[in-house]
Amino acid sequence: NAGVMQNPRHLVRRRGQEARLRCSPMKGHSHVYWYRQLPEEGLKFMVYLQKENIIDESGMPKERFSAEFPKEGPSILRIQQVVRGDSAAYFCASSPGQQYGYTFGSGTRLTVV
Amino acid sequence: GESVGLHLPTLSVQEGDNSIINCAYSNSASDYFIWYKQESGKGPQFIIDIRSNMDKRQGQRVTVLLNKTVKHLSLQIAATQPGDSAVYFCAEKDGNTDKLIFGTGTRLQVFP
Repeated sequence: NAGVMQNPRHLVRRRGQEARLRCSPMKGHSHVYWYRQLPEEGLKFMVYLQKENIIDESGMPKERFSAEFPKEGPSILRIQQVVRGDSAAYFCASSPGQQYGYTFGSGTRLTVV
Repeated sequence: GESVGLHLPTLSVQEGDNSIINCAYSNSASDYFIWYKQESGKGPQFIIDIRSNMDKRQGQRVTVLLNKTVKHLSLQIAATQPGDSAVYFCAEKDGNTDKLIFGTGTRLQVFP
C-alpha cells in the first residue's frame, strides 16, 4: 500500500498562473480532505470530498479555489490566478470513513513568485 | 469559534527523560482526538488516538490522557529519543462533522 500520494512535491508559479495539486488516496479510502499549512502554523481545514461529491467546503476561499474528486483518478485542488499569499504547504489526507483517523500525504509546497 | 490550542509552543527535554505535551480543546461535542507528529518537510504522521468514552490509551512509548471535565488532552512520551524531535499537533473531531481541527503545535527538542 503506497499510502497517500501527492504530486508535485514542490510547485513554483508566477502570480496570475494556475496551480493544480493532485492527491491519490490510500487504496480503499473514499474520503479525501485538503488542508493548508503556513510556516510555523497548524493545519487549516479547506475541503472534504467523497467520490464525485463535495461534502464540506467551509474552509475553502470562495474565489479562485476549487476541488474535485472524480469517479476515476486523483483528487485535484485547483488555485486560479495565484497570489503570493497562496504560498503554503497543501496536505491531502484520506480515510476509509467517518469513524477513523486520517492518513496524510507528504504535501505539495506551493511557492508563488 | 471552537478551537484547539496548546499551552507550550516549545518543549526542550534531555534524551532519556519523559516528555509531556499538553492540549486544550473547547468543543464539548468533540468525541475523537488524535495526536500527530510532523517532522520538517513531511506530512503529519499518526501517533495515537483516543475516543471520548476513554480517559487513557497507551501505545509503544506513548500514552494519551483525556480529561473531559476540563477539556484537556496530553501526550506522554517515555524515554524521549532524538528521533522524537518534531512538532506535535493535537486534533479533535466533532461527532457532527467529519473534519479534524488542529491546534497550532508544540515543537519538541531533544538534546543529549
